[in-house]
Amino acid sequence: KQEVTQIPAALSVPEGENLVLNCSFTDSAIYNLQWFRQDPGKGLTSLLLIQSSQREQTSGRLNASLDKSSGRSTLYIAASQPGDSATYLCAVLTNAGGTSYGKLTFGQGTILTVHP
Amino acid sequence: EAGVTQSPTHLIKTRGQQATLRCSPISGHTSVYWYQQALGLGLQFLLWYDEGEERNRGNFPPRFSGRQFPNYSSELNVNALELEDSALYLCASSLSSREYGYTFGSGTRLTVV
Repeated sequence: KQEVTQIPAALSVPEGENLVLNCSFTDSAIYNLQWFRQDPGKGLTSLLLIQSSQREQTSGRLNASLDKSSGRSTLYIAASQPGDSATYLCAVLTNAGGTSYGKLTFGQGTILTVHP
Repeated sequence: EAGVTQSPTHLIKTRGQQATLRCSPISGHTSVYWYQQALGLGLQFLLWYDEGEERNRGNFPPRFSGRQFPNYSSELNVNALELEDSALYLCASSLSSREYGYTFGSGTRLTVV
């Protein structure tokens, strides 16, 4: 059974800092990994998608890496801004049949607060 | 391009009643997924529909059911509502190949009183 863990559970930083969010997963047989952002009471916004064959993806100030063999991904946010404050979720799509077929497995998220 | 749309935005029901939630996927997406996000419990997988068929379901009782229509839109039905069904219900869609990832809607907030 795939399990996804995110560390830290919460993070508070001053504006302008570079920061790293961590995600680990137990089953390395993944199809892809996706990072999402969720604002309070809202839906999920996709930030980055990394296929299992890729090592990293970049979008603006965001960079996500994937080490499939060790079951780890990191989301790097450069020059953080107060508008980055949200919950960040990591999700993996397991490349397997059975109960994991087709479903994204989510971590519990990292609550990020960037203060001015 | 329109995103994934969900309706209604908010829904208040009495315990024991039935709730129907609706989802329209992105044009061209044939797969629809339903997730429940209850307070403090994270995102839990409910159902996956593809090409009109149920492909997988999570660990939820049978009173959670749904269907997918020929235009790939979907509805989630929750019968015999219980207080603990109060949650944000999120719908996502993807292409069948899933290589472009999942796109989520804004959710339906269901409150059972």
